[in-house]
Amino acid sequence: DGGITQSPKYLFRKEGQNVTLSCEQNLNHDAMYWYRQDPGQGLRLIYYSQIVNDFQKGDIAEGYSVSREKKESFPLTVTSAQKNPTAFYLCASSIGGRRGGNEQFFGPGTRLTVL
Amino acid sequence: SQKIEQNSEALNIQEGKTATLTCNYTNYSPAYLQWYRQDPGRGPVFLLLIRENEKEKRKERLKVTFDTTLKQSLFHITASQPADSATYLCALRTGANNLFFGTGTRLTVIP
Repeated sequence: DGGITQSPKYLFRKEGQNVTLSCEQNLNHDAMYWYRQDPGQGLRLIYYSQIVNDFQKGDIAEGYSVSREKKESFPLTVTSAQKNPTAFYLCASSIGGRRGGNEQFFGPGTRLTVL
Repeated sequence: SQKIEQNSEALNIQEGKTATLTCNYTNYSPAYLQWYRQDPGRGPVFLLLIRENEKEKRKERLKVTFDTTLKQSLFHITASQPADSATYLCALRTGANNLFFGTGTRLTVIP
């Protein structure tokens, strides 16, 4: 059963703590993405990776870090440097490259709340 | 500056009517425009894609138009049903692979 999974669904963290959000896909997609969604705003791109062992900053990368050691996995770390980390985080994947329109497949999201 | 605007935050229509959602953009030259559906607390789901050289695309009760002169896409749901109630997002893809999303329109279909 192909798809993209994120865990956990809900995450609570104290101020000053780093936290890592998991994203796994078994769609054999080259490209993976992390977005943040806040009420009244569109999805904003944090980081993206077009291929394993490579990733690029998106529009709001400050306070976040990623790794792409395996094709299937693209974890996101929210560091204590992120000023307002409470949000809904969405991971997505796509075929990548210049093929097709590159529709993105999204995971179910992780809602992070900083206490 | 670059901007993607969806006509309204919320749209209410009667069951059976056609819902029309608007996506306007400025300072982009999109190669593709995509529409997604998002239910509360869940990730968006891809619905339709239209290329810059296409005027219209249909899929079952859905229709998308793309006018690169007006810099606008219209998304229609015909014979709307309560199950169509959701937030609909438009997204632009430029020459690179990344998507730029609008803020979405929350559609409510009233029985």
